Amino acid sequence: DAGVTQSPTHLIKTRGQQVTLRCSPKSGHDTVSWYQQALGQGPQFIFQYYEEEERQRGNFPDRFSGHQFPNYSSELNVNALLLGDSALYLCASSLGGRNSNQPQHFGDGTRLSIL
Amino acid sequence: EDKVVQSPLSLVVHEGDTVTLNCSYEVTNFRSLLWYKQEKKAPTFLFMLTSSGIEKKSGRLSSILDKKELFSILNITATQTGDSAVYLCAVGNYGGSQGNLIFGKGTKLSVKP
Repeated sequence: DAGVTQSPTHLIKTRGQQVTLRCSPKSGHDTVSWYQQALGQGPQFIFQYYEEEERQRGNFPDRFSGHQFPNYSSELNVNALLLGDSALYLCASSLGGRNSNQPQHFGDGTRLSIL
Repeated sequence: EDKVVQSPLSLVVHEGDTVTLNCSYEVTNFRSLLWYKQEKKAPTFLFMLTSSGIEKKSGRLSSILDKKELFSILNITATQTGDSAVYLCAVGNYGGSQGNLIFGKGTKLSVKP
């Protein structure tokens, strides 16, 4: 039973560039949430996708955008990268959308470093 | 603003010790409280608690929720070096600007042989 998979595992970019991170949810899950985790902090919610639409969004600027595909996989795009965007980006999948009370399961994350 | 506060932020114990990790919260539209263990990368799910006073157990780990006092504890008995990790507490709600899963900063547990 495949868990949540993310790619790439590591990425180095420079300021001003854009980046795309990818996530495949756990088998049987239909909801994908993205989180940003800075060093020494807990994950912070970016947004959640369900039925190919953004259903909920955290306090992140419009530079952060996403997409969900018909097979439930998802992408996170970040434009005009800033040094402060350096973090571990985690994808979590669950079943049933924002009104579901099912636990979220996390992938290993993508470590993004901005130079 | 909703918040989740964990204590202590770090803890060093020796193998065989018992530890208690704390999580308090102020979250509107509370739905559930979850505990995760994060070693190198992916937080792995431990427990989800929705009702007060009902203990959940898995091996040497157990957790309980108090919805009146707004806190939860995670107990680990007979600790092993493999228990070394960051333990994250998260509170699920019915949505808001912080999302439907709000995390604390975590407790870093180090178990010495």
